Amino acid sequence: NAGVTQTPKFQVLKTGQSMTLQCAQDMNHNSMYWYRQDPGMGLRLIYYSASEGTTDKGEVPNGYNVSRLNKREFSLRLESAAPSQTSVYFCASSGGTYSGANVLTFGAGSRLTVL
Amino acid sequence: GESVGLHLPTLSVQEGDNSIINCAYSNSASDYFIWYKQESGKGPQFIIDIRSNMDKRQGQRVTVLLNKTVKHLSLQIAATQPGDSAVYFCAETIFWTNAGKSTFGDGTTLTVKP
Repeated sequence: NAGVTQTPKFQVLKTGQSMTLQCAQDMNHNSMYWYRQDPGMGLRLIYYSASEGTTDKGEVPNGYNVSRLNKREFSLRLESAAPSQTSVYFCASSGGTYSGANVLTFGAGSRLTVL
Repeated sequence: GESVGLHLPTLSVQEGDNSIINCAYSNSASDYFIWYKQESGKGPQFIIDIRSNMDKRQGQRVTVLLNKTVKHLSLQIAATQPGDSAVYFCAETIFWTNAGKSTFGDGTTLTVKP
C-alpha cells in the first residue's frame, strides 16, 4: 500500500500565481487533513474533511481552498500565492471513530516556495 | 510542588543513553495523546499513543508518561540509537470525535551522538 501520496513534491511559484496540491490515500480512511509546517514550528491545521462531502476550516485557512473530490482525494488550492505561504505542506488521513482512529498517517510533504 | 520537565527545542544525547522528551499540552478537554517522529525530509510517523485513563504506556524501547494534573506528557526512549535522531512532536486530540483534529507541540530535535 502507498499510504498517503502527495504531488508535487516541490514547487516554485511567483507571487499571485495559483496552484493545487493533490493528495490521495488508499487506506479507506474517512478523514483527511492539510497541515503546513514552517521552520522550527509544529504543524498547523489549514483545512480538514471529516468525511466525504464535508470540509471545515482549521487554524490557518486564509488564502486556501480545499476540495474533497471523493473518499480517496483531498486537494488544497492556493488561488493567489503570497510569500507568507512558503512552507512545507503535509496531507494526512485518519480512520474514523474507533481505537487508533485519530492517529494520523502523513504524506511525504510538498515543499512550496513563493517568490 | 511537583517538578515538571521543561520542553526543550533541542536535545543531544550519547548513543546508548536514555532520552526524555517533554511536552506540555493546553486543552483540558484533550483525552488522547500521540507522539510522532519526523525524520529529515519525511512526514511525521506514529510512535505511541496514550489515552487519559492511563498514566503510562510502554512500547518497544519507548514509554509515554501522562500527568493530567499539570497537563504534561513525556516520551522516554531507552538505549537511544543513531536512528532515533529526528524531530519528535506530541499531539493532543479528543478520542471520540469524527475527525481526528490534532494540535501539535513545537517539536524537539533529538540528536544522537555516536
